[in-house]
Amino acid sequence: GAVVSQHPSWVICKSGTSVKIECRSLDFQATTMFWYRQFPKQSLMLMATSNEGSKATYEQGVEKDKFLINHASLTLSTLTVTSAHPEDSSFYICSAIAREGYNQPQHFGDGTRLSIL
Amino acid sequence: DAKTTQPNSMESNEEEPVHLPCNHSTISGTDYIHWYRQLPSQGPEYVIHGLTSNVNNRMASLAIAEDRKSSTLILHRATLRDAAVYYCILRDNFRDNQGGKLIFGQGTELSVKP
Repeated sequence: GAVVSQHPSWVICKSGTSVKIECRSLDFQATTMFWYRQFPKQSLMLMATSNEGSKATYEQGVEKDKFLINHASLTLSTLTVTSAHPEDSSFYICSAIAREGYNQPQHFGDGTRLSIL
Repeated sequence: DAKTTQPNSMESNEEEPVHLPCNHSTISGTDYIHWYRQLPSQGPEYVIHGLTSNVNNRMASLAIAEDRKSSTLILHRATLRDAAVYYCILRDNFRDNQGGKLIFGQGTELSVKP
């Protein structure tokens, strides 16, 4: 149980386009979802916390107008990278916490590798 | 956020036990100790977590020092599939109201030799 699915797994697009990444909890309801970014040979960096039905909370230094997060339901959160540029190329990973568990672990998706040409 | 310190890398032999250390001298009373691992090109995977007592599950054991300033993740018999980066993270469910966000450090890269 506790499966988180991310789509797409990888995407290549031209500079200036916007890219949407979906994160779904398949077999549980997720009150809270998180978005991370990871550059090669580095650790995960938390970008934002997404709560169903409310605005996302962004970490310091993360541009909210650049990385739009929508948590429309208890099973779906989306991250849109707007007007993407080569420096936005990275591995984007989402995670989710089950609704019932305050001290439950985060369940991670397999990540989306984004390459901007 | 309370910080953790882990060795950058460790090596082990297949089918032998592995002890991965983590220091967290500034841990607070409400911090849980969480361990995750990340295999190459994948998202992290939950391994185990605990507060004060030692914990066991099907993946690993977590030994927590009596003063809680350090902990050790124990893989009882390493396999090649256990080669990954292991992250030790402190999570306080009471101070933050965001469901317990995780702040990842650099972790320990474990390599397993056949």
